Amino acid sequence: RKEVEQDPGPFNVPEGATVAFNCTYSNSASQSFFWYRQDCRKEPKLLMSVYSSGNEDGRFTAQLNRASQYISLLIRDSKLSDSATYLCVVNWSGGSYIPTFGRGTILIVHP
Amino acid sequence: GAGVSQTPSNKVTEKGKYVELRCDPISGHTALYWYRQSLGQGPEFLIYFQGTGAADDSGLPNDRFFAVRPEGSVSTLKIQRTERGDSAVYLCASSLTGEEGYTFGSGTRLTVV
Repeated sequence: RKEVEQDPGPFNVPEGATVAFNCTYSNSASQSFFWYRQDCRKEPKLLMSVYSSGNEDGRFTAQLNRASQYISLLIRDSKLSDSATYLCVVNWSGGSYIPTFGRGTILIVHP
Repeated sequence: GAGVSQTPSNKVTEKGKYVELRCDPISGHTALYWYRQSLGQGPEFLIYFQGTGAADDSGLPNDRFFAVRPEGSVSTLKIQRTERGDSAVYLCASSLTGEEGYTFGSGTRLTVV
């Protein structure tokens, strides 16, 4: 079983739609969680951290469910420019933080 | 520097050759990570430095791969006797503490022919 699992998609949604992605992780000791965005042939860029209480940044909402060991990303009012791959990152301290990435979920927003 | 810098951006090498990939992290970032990414996959962890020392090298696939960070800033990933399967994008990231996220360089696209 992979340590961090994501549905690769692609998710095809129209502009203005709401879309949600989940990411499950296997290590219950995981302490920090992030969502990254990666455009084609570019490096991953931090979208947002995920906090235990849930957090929002504009149209984006991230949530953490420790009991079920998953994090989620909700995008409201999707824009064409949201089309990208969304990578889930989980890290834990076993003496050091090793960020572990999921394979990413592809989002395609169409007119 | 303002961001993480990786050189070269592209490298084509022949099977069996030796290559070096360089990463210059954000000034003051003590944590440095190397990843490689193949098409359709997420970044795969290779090695983590905290300062000058390799805190975790468990992701290095075999002994052909080696990395150094002698002065705690610039790091070099070294690959000996390259194989076609080594072809990928090699990404470097740096971080201040690891809790605030990681900043990536634009990567080195390595092609072994």
